[in-house]
Amino acid sequence: EVQLVQSGEEVKKPGESLKISCKDSGHNFPTYYLAWVRLVPGKGLEWMGIIYPADSDSWYSPSFQGQVTISADKSISTAYLHLRSLKASDTAIYFCASGENWKYFRYWGQGTLVTVSS
Amino acid sequence: EIVMTQSPATLSVSPGERATLSCRASQSVGSNLAWYQQKPGQAPGLLMYGTSTRATGIPARFSGSGSGTEFTLTISSLQSEDFAVYYCQHYNNWPPESSFGQGTKLEIK
Repeated sequence: EVQLVQSGEEVKKPGESLKISCKDSGHNFPTYYLAWVRLVPGKGLEWMGIIYPADSDSWYSPSFQGQVTISADKSISTAYLHLRSLKASDTAIYFCASGENWKYFRYWGQGTLVTVSS
Repeated sequence: EIVMTQSPATLSVSPGERATLSCRASQSVGSNLAWYQQKPGQAPGLLMYGTSTRATGIPARFSGSGSGTEFTLTISSLQSEDFAVYYCQHYNNWPPESSFGQGTKLEIK
């Protein structure tokens, strides 16, 4: 059974940065694309970017390019989302999602609630 | 960046009736469209990909149609477990790029 387990809830102040993790088990981590998607109240889901862990190639939504970094450590089957210079508008639930290709996602993490508030 | 627009924002339907959800792309995405269902407190779940291919375990009352810029998700006879938020997602052939619609909340009438 494929499982994506994310790190826990975070509370941050504006301007701070944060790294969320997503540990994959149950399939061959390097060969599955892994994306980060966030759910903003009132705005729906937002596709942030995606990584191919086998070679760490990554691609980003224009809306998030330069604001976030996606990385992966194959040795521990874990992907990361690094968020910089957090703003109140970054308050959201962040999900990792995985699939056999980069297009759509069969497997999802449980979500990580990030609250940014002064 | 392709913008996906879903309508209506909220749809009220009685159990047993048909629900029709719409998704429009700002430019053609061919048949590169997926649908997800999300219930409160849960992650989204894949319903459909390639516009009309049901994901594993998805019942036949769910169907998808459309191409280019106009897409529809139809639920033929609503069951209690179908009341949720539904999102459409477009995806590129290459390089990887994607975006979601803002969602349609399907509620019990």
